[in-house]
Amino acid sequence: QSALTQPASVSGSPGQSITISCTGTTSDVGGYNYVSWYQQYPGKAPKLIIYDVTNRPSGVSDRFSGSKSGNTASLTISGLQAEDEADYYCSSKRSDSSVVFGGGTKLTVL
Amino acid sequence: QLQVQESGPGLVKPSETLSLTCTVSGGSISSSGHYWGWIRQPPGKGLEWIAIIQYSGQTYYSPSLKSRVAISVDTSKNQISLNLRSVTAADTAVYHCARQIEYHWYFDLWGRGTLVTVSS
Repeated sequence: QSALTQPASVSGSPGQSITISCTGTTSDVGGYNYVSWYQQYPGKAPKLIIYDVTNRPSGVSDRFSGSKSGNTASLTISGLQAEDEADYYCSSKRSDSSVVFGGGTKLTVL
Repeated sequence: QLQVQESGPGLVKPSETLSLTCTVSGGSISSSGHYWGWIRQPPGKGLEWIAIIQYSGQTYYSPSLKSRVAISVDTSKNQISLNLRSVTAADTAVYHCARQIEYHWYFDLWGRGTLVTVSS
């Protein structure tokens, strides 16, 4: 049961946009529109920021957006801010009715 | 305000059973459209989905952990529980309780987590 593939780290300067990719297979990311993204600060619980590929929960900044193409989902953060520095995880439903997470991406705001 | 809180021993010996409880407050565990479950995170590593359960007793398990895991629900106490058998050091992790949305497979409510260390 392999995890979804995410880059270990990404970085950007304040005001810039960054994109984090999340690659799976036709059995998970490519097969369902059930990709979600979570933001996690050190020592804290993850927070949902995107669900069902593109949807933002109430209260989440519209600087966060999600998309999907084939077996790869993406999280884009525009207008990067210092407070965006955190770990980001994607997840997807799998064909065996389980959930798989990505390995996580550490975002550094330069 | 709806919250979940994990509880249980912080230290478990190798080969023994890890047992955790998650208490839901500010709402009912029997609410329709929701599952309740466990996700763990080894120190410095990523998230791993373990299992979920609905108030009806319907369960789903991680294929890689299914042989060692049991999840249960007690609606009278508004709690779910996790038992993980035959633990090793690889099971050392922060264990989070979370609410999963039915049919959409995402988690909209998380507990802060409890660190469980497996060591003799």
